[in-house]
Amino acid sequence: AQKITQTQPGMFVQEKEAVTLDCTYDTSDQSYGLFWYKQPSSGEMIFLIYQGSYDEQNATEGRYSLNFQKARKSANLVISASQLGDSAMYFCAMRAGGNTGKLIFGQGTTLQVKP
Amino acid sequence: NAGVTQTPKFRVLKTGQSMTLLCAQDMNHEYMYWYRQDPGMGLRLIHYSVGEGTTAKGEVPDGYNVSRLKKQNFLLGLESAAPSQTSVYFCASSYRTISNQPQHFGDGTRLSIL
Repeated sequence: AQKITQTQPGMFVQEKEAVTLDCTYDTSDQSYGLFWYKQPSSGEMIFLIYQGSYDEQNATEGRYSLNFQKARKSANLVISASQLGDSAMYFCAMRAGGNTGKLIFGQGTTLQVKP
Repeated sequence: NAGVTQTPKFRVLKTGQSMTLLCAQDMNHEYMYWYRQDPGMGLRLIHYSVGEGTTAKGEVPDGYNVSRLKKQNFLLGLESAAPSQTSVYFCASSYRTISNQPQHFGDGTRLSIL
């Protein structure tokens, strides 16, 4: 069965420090994609970063990077230089193979940035 | 540049009432999805559509129906609302063939069933 696991219900980080949010996945597909979304307290879902299963380089988008370890089936999100505005819920999601584009989401991690 | 628009944003229903949630996208996306979000459970797929006139069941389809009569619209119906359907509902859309393109989400509908 395809599954995404986020084992950290809540995390704290000091402003300006880096933080890693964990995500492990389970799939038997060879082709898949991994996404991270941010959900601030206002409720909208904001796309942050994507990693394809065949991508050899770790994805980066500004202060966001994805630590992709395929053999360990992990796709951890690293946020550098945390800002107060980074306080939010973060979801890891997987798009498995096939032609439906469906996403499977993890339970989410709540990040709080302390001033 | 509206993106994905959900109507209504909030609604309170009584058990047994029916209602329809409307999702409209203006990005010419082929694929559309309905999710529900409950505390501690992330987002779970209710139904989805890969094109106009086609729909399919997701992970938690019971108690819901959907229709996609036009490419830009995806409707989610609750025929007889139950308290267990109290949740935040998200609509999303995406392109068919571009694998690295994310799903674009609406702002959600907060639904309470009393």
